[in-house]
Amino acid sequence: EDQVTQSPEALRLQEGESSSLNCSYTVSGLRGLFWYRQDPGKGPEFLFTLYSAGEEKEKERLKATLTKKESFLHITAPKPEDSATYLCAVQTPGGYNKLIFGAGTRLAVHP
Amino acid sequence: NAGVTQTPKFQVLKTGQSMTLQCAQDMNHNSMYWYRQDPGMGLRLIYYSASEGTTDKGEVPNGYNVSRLNKREFSLRLESAAPSQTSVYFCASSEVEDTQYFGPGTRLTVL
Repeated sequence: EDQVTQSPEALRLQEGESSSLNCSYTVSGLRGLFWYRQDPGKGPEFLFTLYSAGEEKEKERLKATLTKKESFLHITAPKPEDSATYLCAVQTPGGYNKLIFGAGTRLAVHP
Repeated sequence: NAGVTQTPKFQVLKTGQSMTLQCAQDMNHNSMYWYRQDPGMGLRLIYYSASEGTTDKGEVPNGYNVSRLNKREFSLRLESAAPSQTSVYFCASSEVEDTQYFGPGTRLTVL
């Protein structure tokens, strides 16, 4: 069964303390891996798409990487405004644009 | 560009009542989706519409119906609401195999 697991469930960081969020997946075929950011009471906001192992994407303090079994979202020198829930989703073959979502990692960055 | 809009933002229903959630997108996307988000779980697909005039079931379609009114609009209907349908509902749109963009959500409580 296709599955996406994110860890940790919650992460508390001090401002400037770098860390990584993990997204591991077991799927029948990976077409793409998506990272979204979700603020409380809002809809998911697209961050990155990764398509093949070894690929990396960067945006400000965030860098996403992909291997054959997992993806990491590295956060360098985070600021309080980076506090949010980060969602990972895997796009699988299925005749339509099927996404399987993980439950997310709640990140809190304290000054 | 408003992106994806949803109405209403909040709704409280009694068991057995019906309602329709509205979604519209102005990005000229062909595909549209309805998801629900529950605590501790990933977003789960209820129904999708790959293109105007077509709709198909997703992972959790029971108790819901949809209508793709035109290319811009995709509605979700609860015919007889149940407490198990208390959730946050998100609409999304995309080009056929591309990134999904989400609306702000509708928070539904069924008493």
